[in-house]
Amino acid sequence: AQKVTQAQTEISVVEKEDVTLDCVYETRDTTYYLFWYKQPPSGELVFLIRRNSFDEQNEISGRYSWNFQKSTSSFNFTITASQVVDSAVYFCALSAQTGANSKLTFGKGITLSVRP
Amino acid sequence: GAVVSQHPSWVICKSGTSVKIECRSLDFQATTMFWYRQFPKQSLMLMATSNEGSKATYEQGVEKDKFLINHASLTLSTLTVTSAHPEDSSFYICSARTQLNVFQPQHFGDGTRLSIL
Repeated sequence: AQKVTQAQTEISVVEKEDVTLDCVYETRDTTYYLFWYKQPPSGELVFLIRRNSFDEQNEISGRYSWNFQKSTSSFNFTITASQVVDSAVYFCALSAQTGANSKLTFGKGITLSVRP
Repeated sequence: GAVVSQHPSWVICKSGTSVKIECRSLDFQATTMFWYRQFPKQSLMLMATSNEGSKATYEQGVEKDKFLINHASLTLSTLTVTSAHPEDSSFYICSARTQLNVFQPQHFGDGTRLSIL
């Protein structure tokens, strides 16, 4: 079975602060994918990043950066210089089955509030 | 590219009504579609996986006769909530993926807010 744990439930920061969202996963598969999605108040899911288990390089995309560490089974997400528009629920997800029916297992989500 | 359209965006109906939600892939062929349910302030829970032309595979605890899924074409899957009751009120969201590249992320629709009175 696979599991995704997002221990933080709600985070509130002031604009321009940096914030890190934690994600810890469990899987027995050696090949898997990790994802982060953003869900703004309007409800749609916005894909942010996908990382496969063989690629431990950290990634930076603008104000977003991701730190993947297999040794600790973590895939943390940092927003630098946060903005009000970053306010949303952020989900970490894991897909460990390859093939057409691979399933996404979501964490419980972290509600981020960025105050002006 | 890879746009998934979900319709309707929201629906309010009386208890006992059956409600159909459509999920369409607009610019790619979706051999596999997934249906999720999300209660307020909770995570997305997979309800079922549907492959075009075959019966859907339901997750444990999801009633097949309650949530009818049809995936008759490569661009359309439907979820019908039969004889809906207030406890079925939720946010339903679909996602789709093409067989051509199963390692690409699922593309999500914008979701349907269902309220049963």
